[in-house]
Amino acid sequence: QSVLTQPPSMSGAPGQRVTISCTGSNSNLGTGYDVHWYQHLPGRAPKLIIYSSTNRPSGVPDRFSGSKSGTSASLAITGLQAEDEADYYCQSYDAGLSGSVVFGGGTKVTVL
Amino acid sequence: QVQLQEAGPGLVKPSQTLSLTCTVSGASITSGDYYWSWVRQPPGKGLEWIAYIHNNGFTHYNPSLKSRLTLSVDSSKNLFSLEMTSMTDADTAVYYCARLLVIPRGDWFDSWGQGALVTVSS
Repeated sequence: QSVLTQPPSMSGAPGQRVTISCTGSNSNLGTGYDVHWYQHLPGRAPKLIIYSSTNRPSGVPDRFSGSKSGTSASLAITGLQAEDEADYYCQSYDAGLSGSVVFGGGTKVTVL
Repeated sequence: QVQLQEAGPGLVKPSQTLSLTCTVSGASITSGDYYWSWVRQPPGKGLEWIAYIHNNGFTHYNPSLKSRLTLSVDSSKNLFSLEMTSMTDADTAVYYCARLLVIPRGDWFDSWGQGALVTVSS
């Protein structure tokens, strides 16, 4: 059971919009800790695509956007492309149990 | 551009100790802004943070793994290392090293290694 909850899978046709949710609690997102998002392709290194809830690193397409409110956050992918098919993970910090870096369980995005 | 590369045995016997190293290139491990981390992914499962270390020796471990872990830094070789004792089947995973930026509102991993598969089997 992950500290941050994500839907296991989502899908969309090319060009559509997909929004992935990440639900936390008062010991992580609700305390004001930011959320970060990673794209993970099989056999590859995870790639940071959103940091500090809403910021894109250099080189990440603006089709990816992030938001956060209270104990929840979301990653939106607009204009879905075949190359976006991957696993996506949210990550934050949890102040409980001596403090830990925590991940969501991951969401598999399939491009139909 | 920073690059990280894991190295270690692909196979470990149950009850043995795992030793992994991560060599950093393109950046100095003594950079004060960053912490050096390990994350793993068991087959078919999600990512799990293991621990991180700063070049000043400060360490922070996942509470569920803390009793089994030792992290160290070798600044002369620009690498850091992980030791995990009492390995079991449940520790079979791809182990990633990653660079972590720590700020008051939360930490994120901005660079990752390609990962090293570690299988625990007799």
